Amino acid sequence: QKEVEQNSGPLSVPEGAIASLNCTYSDRGSQSFFWYRQYSGKSPELIMFIYSNGDKEDGRFTAQLNKASQYVSLLIRDSQPSDSATYLCAVIAGNKLVFGAGTILRVKS
Amino acid sequence: NAGVTQTPKFRILKIGQSMTLQCTQDMNHNYMYWYRQDPGMGLKLIYYSVGAGITDKGEVPNGYNVSRSTTEDFPLRLELAAPSQTSVYFCASSYGQLPEQYFGPGTRLTVT
Repeated sequence: QKEVEQNSGPLSVPEGAIASLNCTYSDRGSQSFFWYRQYSGKSPELIMFIYSNGDKEDGRFTAQLNKASQYVSLLIRDSQPSDSATYLCAVIAGNKLVFGAGTILRVKS
Repeated sequence: NAGVTQTPKFRILKIGQSMTLQCTQDMNHNYMYWYRQDPGMGLKLIYYSVGAGITDKGEVPNGYNVSRSTTEDFPLRLELAAPSQTSVYFCASSYGQLPEQYFGPGTRLTVT
């Protein structure tokens, strides 16, 4: 079983809709979870991190963590075409970040 | 403040050739990392360093070597290039084990 799993997509949503991206992880002891955004041909950039169960909001982005079910989600409200990118979920394993393969998001105007 | 810089941006190697990918950061970060990213895949950690003179293997170290003689520089050496090493290589740095890793622009390497 992969340590971090994501649906590769693409996930297509219309402009203004809510995009929901999901990630599951295998290590029940994981404490820290991160979402990176990667535009095509560019390097990843950190957009959200969450450590505790529940929700964390930052502008149009909300990260949700459910440790009992071992999944973490990223919600993007009022999706914009500029949100079209690959979203990488990452989990700390030991002293390293382990990345999922990413979900491609396409926001159609 | 340039952040993390990588050279070259693109490179084509023949099988069996060697090369060094350069990475430099000017943020005085002690942690540095090398990742490779294959199409449709996530980032795989090749090597990392927690400070000058200290390096350790990541998930996919075979075929690569690194050194860290200064805080700023973390070059990645490919010996005897193979087609399986065709990938995009990203260097990253962070302050301590904080999760925010700053990535360089990447090097796209093709081995034919």
